Amino acid sequence: AQSVTQLGSHVSVSEGALVLLRCNYSSSVPPYLFWYVQYPNQGLQLLLKYTSAATLVKGINGFEAEFKKSETSFHLTKPSAHMSDAAEYFCVVSYTGGFKTIFGAGTRLFVKA
Amino acid sequence: KAGVTQTPRYLIKTRGQQVTLSCSPISGHRSVSWYQQTPGQGLQFLFEYFSETQRNKGNFPGRFSGRQFSNSRSEMNVSTLELGDSALYLCASGVWTGGDTEAFFGQGTRLTVV
Repeated sequence: AQSVTQLGSHVSVSEGALVLLRCNYSSSVPPYLFWYVQYPNQGLQLLLKYTSAATLVKGINGFEAEFKKSETSFHLTKPSAHMSDAAEYFCVVSYTGGFKTIFGAGTRLFVKA
Repeated sequence: KAGVTQTPRYLIKTRGQQVTLSCSPISGHRSVSWYQQTPGQGLQFLFEYFSETQRNKGNFPGRFSGRQFSNSRSEMNVSTLELGDSALYLCASGVWTGGDTEAFFGQGTRLTVV
């Protein structure tokens, strides 16, 4: 069965430090992978998506993620955290052949001054 | 281009009542999906409509229902409300298949059942 796991429900970093949010998936078919961000009382906004064109995907706000098939991972990174990055981040997996999406449990990012 | 519009933004209902939430997708989007978000369960898929037909359904009781109109607007209905139905309900329009598209989310309707 397909699934997506986000390691760490809460991650805290200092402003200017590296942000690393982990996502692993299990899939028997090639997945499409997304990272979404949710600010308080808001809907979800797409950060970036992997669609097999390139394994390193660059998104908005300086975020990027690398698809590693051998590790079944799609970790999200940002070299230098800003206070405005504090939000909840969701890793999402979808599959062709039908509308099926699986959301990770989310990781709340805290940025300390 | 207008985004996904959900109305109302906030709602307070009493146990046992029913509620209808509305979602207007981005113009041209034919797919609308609904999600329930709670602190305990996270984001859970409710159902998805495409061209007025329900294509997929999550694991929710029959009290949760939806429909889509010919203009792609969608409504979600919850009958016999329970305290546990208190949540942020998110609507998304777009299509997921093919990978070169994305889902656009509305700001959600926060439902509080008292």
